[in-house]
Amino acid sequence: DAGVIQSPRHEVTEMGQEVTLRCKPISGHDYLFWYRQTMMRGLELLIYFNNNVPIDDSGMPEDRFSAKMPNASFSTLKIQPSEPRDSAVYFCASSFPLGGGMNTEAFFGQGTRLTVV
Amino acid sequence: QQQVKQSPQSLIVQKGGISIINCAYENTAFDYFPWYQQFPGKGPALLIAIRPDVSEKKEGRFTISFNKSAKQFSLHIMDSQPGDSATYFCAASVSGGSYIPTFGRGTSLIVHP
Repeated sequence: DAGVIQSPRHEVTEMGQEVTLRCKPISGHDYLFWYRQTMMRGLELLIYFNNNVPIDDSGMPEDRFSAKMPNASFSTLKIQPSEPRDSAVYFCASSFPLGGGMNTEAFFGQGTRLTVV
Repeated sequence: QQQVKQSPQSLIVQKGGISIINCAYENTAFDYFPWYQQFPGKGPALLIAIRPDVSEKKEGRFTISFNKSAKQFSLHIMDSQPGDSATYFCAASVSGGSYIPTFGRGTSLIVHP
């Protein structure tokens, strides 16, 4: 498997524009996470899905942020309208719980570096 | 509320030295403690993990020490190498149910040759 695939790797956009980040999780993983990484706040969980259903979006900073997972192999994170303070690296990760409720690792994509000017 | 506190924020070590990164948690329900390593331009990747039924786990030059009563755990990198230069994140999660990892703020490690 190629791992978690994110696109684009880099995105530069003007304030007010719509931005869409894309993610393809590892096949067979039923958890998908969106994280935002900044120097100030580290890794923040924005939202996560289980079996394509959004479970917790309490980390989404504002209504300008939305995420969808239309099927098991694709998810998007959309920012509309974008603002300079949204500049960060956005990571998608996927995972599956082992049997008996045991944890397993989260596999991260390479991230999308977003710059809003 | 930051549930996992990590320190130091940055660390500079000479080649061959020992790097030590500490984390403390508040939620006593946490029962899985992974460490992730992140190189520039890459996503974090699992380095080593421990469960609270043991006090130490070693994999090569990397060791996790765990103190359940103090609710603290730490990563020790023995014989640190320049190739270890990266950002390290500790995390904690609860088995079963919502097991989503809570990450520390990260430690930027630089190992000078």
